[in-house]
Amino acid sequence: AQSVTQLDSHVSVSEGTPVLLRCNYSSSYSPSLFWYVQHPNKGLQLLLKYTSAATLVKGINGFEAEFKKSETSFHLTKPSAHMSDAAEYFCVVSTTGRRALTFGSGTRLQVQP
Amino acid sequence: NAGVTQTPKFQVLKTGQSMTLQCAQDMNHNSMYWYRQDPGMGLRLIYYSASEGTTDKGEVPNGYNVSRLNKREFSLRLESAAPSQTSVYFCASSVNRELFSNQPQHFGDGTRLSIL
Repeated sequence: AQSVTQLDSHVSVSEGTPVLLRCNYSSSYSPSLFWYVQHPNKGLQLLLKYTSAATLVKGINGFEAEFKKSETSFHLTKPSAHMSDAAEYFCVVSTTGRRALTFGSGTRLQVQP
Repeated sequence: NAGVTQTPKFQVLKTGQSMTLQCAQDMNHNSMYWYRQDPGMGLRLIYYSASEGTTDKGEVPNGYNVSRLNKREFSLRLESAAPSQTSVYFCASSVNRELFSNQPQHFGDGTRLSIL
């Protein structure tokens, strides 16, 4: 079985301050991990993915995430928040060849001016 | 580039009515998926298709049917709509033939469905 836990349902930051969105996962196999962003009334857009290469993954719009196997975590960070980052973010775990794709419940990021 | 196109964008149905949600992708992807999104629950997989002519159940298939009409199109049908099926429905596609690989999925903008 596999699961994903996004530890915060809401995160609020000020523009220009760092962003940290936390994700823990469990998987019996070597997982692929993704972060997606969803803006209002839109579909999900891929931010970045981890697929067993480098543990520090860089994505679009200045986001990055670090895969830590010992902590079963895949936290999303950005050094400086922008107003346009306000959206909902989903952590996703996938296991190749297995009938399982699991989404976290989402973290809503609010960016204050 | 259109990517993944879903129609309609909004729909209101009465309980017991039927409806088909359409999805088409122009990226020559092999796999296609249907999800529903409910508040606080992330996305849940309804059905998926690894190739033309093949479909399989996901996490929440009850009350739905699907058709992979060709490589481009994957439709979702509600035969007798129920209020519990009020949700936002997303179609997605990915290049892999192997299900749930390390390839990302590309999503449409969703269909907002209300059932009264």
